[in-house]
Amino acid sequence: GESVGLHLPTLSVQEGDNSIINCAYSNSASDYFIWYKQESGKGPQFIIDIRSNMDKRQGQRVTVLLNKTVKHLSLQIAATQPGDSAVYFCAEKIFAGGTSYGKLTFGQGTILTVHP
Amino acid sequence: DGGITQSPKYLFRKEGQNVTLSCEQNLNHDAMYWYRQDPGQGLRLIYYSQIVNDFQKGDIAEGYSVSREKKESFPLTVTSAQKNPTAFYLCASSLGTWRVSNQPQHFGDGTRLSIL
Repeated sequence: GESVGLHLPTLSVQEGDNSIINCAYSNSASDYFIWYKQESGKGPQFIIDIRSNMDKRQGQRVTVLLNKTVKHLSLQIAATQPGDSAVYFCAEKIFAGGTSYGKLTFGQGTILTVHP
Repeated sequence: DGGITQSPKYLFRKEGQNVTLSCEQNLNHDAMYWYRQDPGQGLRLIYYSQIVNDFQKGDIAEGYSVSREKKESFPLTVTSAQKNPTAFYLCASSLGTWRVSNQPQHFGDGTRLSIL
């Protein structure tokens, strides 16, 4: 079946660098995407979302880019800090003609480590 | 503060025992979800509920049961029929039902279930 996946399972950066976490999806019917951050022993925390009618969305220090042509999603974190160290998940939702219940399909996650 | 509260944080199950995981939200969200998280895997949907007194099986419902008697509560019972229950269980909620297709899910901080 179709699923969301990540290109890199781990990413190590220096404090102050920009980080880019990538995600590939295979279902062209997906219409909504979310990035989550999960720290050890905690639940996923919502970071930012984007709808399929957008290419880019910015939040505080984060930007999500959506390339529907190649079915690729990325999360950019500016000026990465040690507190950004966590597992980052992307998730997609497939629109089901108005009857969608909001079921999300999650990727396995990328471990981001920020070195001081 | 509004949020999702899961309890207990840690739970141990004996052979042949049913255990119930609590999930309470004060976000006034209509939809609630239960996921299972295993190492190296994405979140997998166990059950979801779009409205009080209604719930549907997710992808891995066997060995689990739920109820939704109140809007704010969605307890999950792990029955003795679930032969591999050791996992991190996450409860989530979202504002919209099927009428509002794109709303992020917000998560609690999970319950870690282990076998004695």
